[in-house]
Amino acid sequence: DTEVTQTPKHLVMGMTNKKSLKCEQHMGHRAMYWYKQKAKKPPELMFVYSYEKLSINESVPSRFSPECPNSSLLNLHLHALQPEDSALYLCASSQDQGTGIRAEQFFGPGTRLTVL
Amino acid sequence: SQQGEEDPQALSIQEGENATMNCSYKTSINNLQWYRQNSGRGLVHLILIRSNEREKHSGRLRVTLDTSKKSSSLLITASRAADTASYFCATDRNTDKLIFGTGTRLQVFP
Repeated sequence: DTEVTQTPKHLVMGMTNKKSLKCEQHMGHRAMYWYKQKAKKPPELMFVYSYEKLSINESVPSRFSPECPNSSLLNLHLHALQPEDSALYLCASSQDQGTGIRAEQFFGPGTRLTVL
Repeated sequence: SQQGEEDPQALSIQEGENATMNCSYKTSINNLQWYRQNSGRGLVHLILIRSNEREKHSGRLRVTLDTSKKSSSLLITASRAADTASYFCATDRNTDKLIFGTGTRLQVFP
């Protein structure tokens, strides 16, 4: 299984809602990522989990809260979002190949989020 | 911003022609990767070139890397309509953080 799955595909939420995005992979990858992508822009890194521990937080507002319950799952909890948070949220995973060797990232299809 | 620059921003060609996209980056790197993204979907990894490599091939793809100029190019030969997508370069500095370029939107007309 060489797939990263994301649910839901689309999400519309109000600014007072609480929702969660889910990401799953069964490739045995120990690094997982959340990216945010606005239209016609490149993906911007939000968070990196390495061996289920948060290793990088790119100064993301606290209304985004990541969680890595186990090595296959990655969640992004959303609360009190703003309309400017509307974007495509991409999850990715990669294999740890040892010191100094970085592997390709496998991306999920994304969740299209609209905040009203 | 650490973001790389890609040019052209957009490229339109006919099927059968070659497409060349360029990527420039700002800092020393460990690896450079190229990804493809169909409209509104996830990214697909195309090729990875290490900083000590100068050229790499994969099928119809040819990637070059010039670390002295901090630049890379992606050549797609004999393009097909199915190659229509956005193409991004991405660099890393021996960390888990990938920095993506601004992207090139390629349109291949049948």
